[in-house]
Amino acid sequence: DARVTQTPRDKVTEMGQEVTMRCQPILGHNTVFWYRQTMMQGLELLAYFRNRAPLDDSGMPKDRFSAEMPDATLATLKIQPSEPRDSAVYFCASGPGGANTGELFFGEGSRLTVL
Amino acid sequence: GNSVTQMEGPVTLSEEAFLTINCTYTATGYPSLFWYVQYPGEGLQLLLKATKADDKGSNKGFEATYRKETTSFHLEKGSVQVSDSAVYFCALRSGSRLTFGEGTQLTVNP
Repeated sequence: DARVTQTPRDKVTEMGQEVTMRCQPILGHNTVFWYRQTMMQGLELLAYFRNRAPLDDSGMPKDRFSAEMPDATLATLKIQPSEPRDSAVYFCASGPGGANTGELFFGEGSRLTVL
Repeated sequence: GNSVTQMEGPVTLSEEAFLTINCTYTATGYPSLFWYVQYPGEGLQLLLKATKADDKGSNKGFEATYRKETTSFHLEKGSVQVSDSAVYFCALRSGSRLTFGEGTQLTVNP
């Protein structure tokens, strides 16, 4: 049963600390997305990749956030330094692209709390 | 730019009631339209989709019809169950990006 795997599921950290979230997309999917979900803002697109190349990261605060795909089986989202306003659930999603673009498979999310 | 507007929630219904969640969109060209569902503590899951005008997407008793003339994609179900309690997101795809609505919380009481 193929699925998107995210780690950690829950992270509590203190302001100023570095946070790294990891995602293993579904094998064979060539698009990967990072979303942030909060009660106030809903779902926000932070970044997305096609064939490991970053296509759009305009939704991401560049001064503290970075997203990479070191290989096809791993996507990372890093926050350095973290701030309380970064507290949210971060979702990774992957998709097959092509004619089925838009059919995304989401991970269970990483819940981040920054104190 | 592209945008999706959903009816405000939360929506609370009794079991076996009829459900409608309104969704309208603004987009250039001919986007594909989607409904995603998020159960508590989980990520979003694709519920149904429609790729062109007058297409009807359906799954698990839910339906939505792509209405180009009214730029709408309303979600309907004839008889909801307690297990349908979740947050429902309307979304459109233009190019490679998905744009989501704000989500509508549905609670179904026994």
